[in-house]
Parts: sequence; structure tokens; C-alpha cells
Amino acid sequence: GQQVMQIPQYQHVQEGEDFTTYCNSSTTLSNIQWYKQRPGGHPVFLIQLVKSGEVKKQKRLTFQFGEAKKNSSLHITATQTTDVGTYFCAGGSNDYKLSFGAGTTVTVRA
Amino acid sequence: ETGVTQTPRHLVMGMTNKKSLKCEQHLGHNAMYWYKQSAKKPLELMFVYNFKEQTENNSVPSRFSPECPNSSHLFLHLHTLQPEDSALYLCASSPDEGLNTEAFFGQGTRLTVV
Repeated sequence: GQQVMQIPQYQHVQEGEDFTTYCNSSTTLSNIQWYKQRPGGHPVFLIQLVKSGEVKKQKRLTFQFGEAKKNSSLHITATQTTDVGTYFCAGGSNDYKLSFGAGTTVTVRA
Repeated sequence: ETGVTQTPRHLVMGMTNKKSLKCEQHLGHNAMYWYKQSAKKPLELMFVYNFKEQTENNSVPSRFSPECPNSSHLFLHLHTLQPEDSALYLCASSPDEGLNTEAFFGQGTRLTVV
């Protein structure tokens, strides 16, 4: 079945620095969604990408969908303490199933 | 708040107990989901209901029994659970089960089986 892998599992970032988390699928995806879960909270939808090579920005967050629609990335610039949490990608397939990655847990050093 | 409410927030139960988790949404969504979130593992989809009909049972043990009496409510009945079933159980809803629809998650029920 479809598997979605995320790397790295943990990301320790100095406040103000940039970082990227990656999402890779074993199969071609129909769409990819990104969610953020704050410590002790629940996943909250951030964005969805559908088109090959699509790039979307939300303030300091840049989301990209690969040309082959098998991978995606989330790049955060000038990391702030409010960016702490776990970021999940979720890949959609043609049978409407959404497969979540294990997430990248981000901690920030002030 | 996402508009998806789960109760209780925390639950401790013995392996011989029977309990139920409740999920409620008033977003007008037609699809509802149960997910299991264990430490260091991906979110695991357990059940999907679309227009009150179960459309997905992801090989979940029979000790977990879902119920969807209407499109706004979803239950997960638990009986004779095992310690490895301890996890955060998340309910979610979406406008429908199709593609390109975001999922709205509840705050989850933290379940501990002793």
C-alpha cells in the first residue's frame, strides 16, 4: 500500500534560522496536505497542493509539490518559537485514502 | 476550535471495561473519521463514515466498534482492550470523502489501558 515517509523525524533549530522538512511517497500522489500539531494539541490543516511542481507560500512557510507528485517539502524561514510542533504531510491517492507521514517534530532554541 | 468536539478528553480503563468515545461536529460535514495516534508512529486511519455509511475499516480489531447514528455524531465503542491500545484517538470530519477536502480534527481522547 501507499507509504509516506517524512524526514527528519526531529528538527532542532536555532531561533532565526531556516529549515526544511521533506515528505516522500512510494507512489504517485493525487494531492498532498500539510498539518501542524502543537504540543498537547491536535493536527490543524495548513495547506493542500494538487498540481505538479506547485509552490505555495504562507508568510514564512513555503510548500512545494514535486514534479513527479511523489514528494513534497515544507521550508520555514527565520524560525520563531511559535513554529514549535509536529508537522505532518498527508498524501492523497485516487481511492480517496489519505496516508499520513510520521511527522517532523520541531523544537526551537531561543 | 475546529468545530469538532471529542469527549472525554482523557480516559483510563481496565482491560475488562467497556467504554465509548464520542465525537460531534456541527460543520455540516458528511464524512467522519477515527484515527489512532501512537508515539513516534504515523496517524493510523481506523474507520471512515461517509453519509453515515461505513466506507473504510482499516483492519481494525473487533474490540473497537464504531457507530455513526447521524452525520453529526460518531462513536467508538471499546471493550476488552489491550495495553498496546493506549494512544491518542482523534476524530476528524471533512465536507465529503473525496479528494481535495481538508480534515478538521477534534482535540482527541487520550486513552490509557491498564
